[in-house]
Amino acid sequence: AQSVTQLDSHVSVSEGTPVLLRCNYSSSYSPSLFWYVQHPNKGLQLLLKYTSAATLVKGINGFEAEFKKSETSFHLTKPSAHMSDAAEYFCVVSDRLTGANNLFFGTGTRLTVIP
Amino acid sequence: NAGVTQTPKFRVLKTGQSMTLLCAQDMNHEYMYWYRQDPGMGLRLIHYSVGEGTTAKGEVPDGYNVSRLKKQNFLLGLESAAPSQTSVYFCASGTSMGTYEQYFGPGTRLTVT
Repeated sequence: AQSVTQLDSHVSVSEGTPVLLRCNYSSSYSPSLFWYVQHPNKGLQLLLKYTSAATLVKGINGFEAEFKKSETSFHLTKPSAHMSDAAEYFCVVSDRLTGANNLFFGTGTRLTVIP
Repeated sequence: NAGVTQTPKFRVLKTGQSMTLLCAQDMNHEYMYWYRQDPGMGLRLIHYSVGEGTTAKGEVPDGYNVSRLKKQNFLLGLESAAPSQTSVYFCASGTSMGTYEQYFGPGTRLTVT
C-alpha cells in the first residue's frame, strides 16, 4: 500500500533562512510524488511533482525537492523563506493500481515564517 | 477557464438533514474525486469517478453518496447529516494521461450541529 509520513507537523523558520520540510514515502513500486501547498482558507495548489524523470524537481516559488529512492524520501527545500511561504504543505503519493490515480496525503506540515 | 468550482462555499446543517455538494470542472478531465479534510489528518478520499456514469468508494465512503451523470459534474450527497461529517470538503479532477496530478476546487466548509 502507498503512504507518506511527514516527519514534522510544524516548522518555524526566520525570513531569509532555508526551509526543509521532510517527507518519507512507502510504495510497492516506483511512485509519483507531489508537494501541494494550502494557504489559510484556500484550496490546494501544486508546488511540484516527481514522475520518474529527474530526481531533483524544481517547482514554483523557488521550491525544489529531491527524490531519494534509497532513503524513500522526498524532502521539500527552499534556500530562503519569504513571509508569503507561510502555509500548510502536504506531501502526496499517487496510487496507480486503482486505475484512477488516487492520491494519498500526508498529515501536513504547517510552516511559520518569522519576520 | 474556471478550473474546478464548488457550490456552496459554506453550509450549516442540523443533524439528520440532507444536502448535495456540487463540483464542476471545465478541463474535460476523465477523473473526479471528493475528499474531506479534518485537522491533523490531511485529506482523505471519500469517493471517486473514472468517467461519466461511474463511481467508486475511497477510504472513507460511509454516510456519503455520489453521482456523475455528466462528465463535467460530480455530486456529493449526505442523506442524513451527522456531526462527524463536519469538515471541509474538496473536489478535484485529473486526467488519465501523464503525471497523475489533480486539480482542486476551493473547498466547501460544512458544519453539522
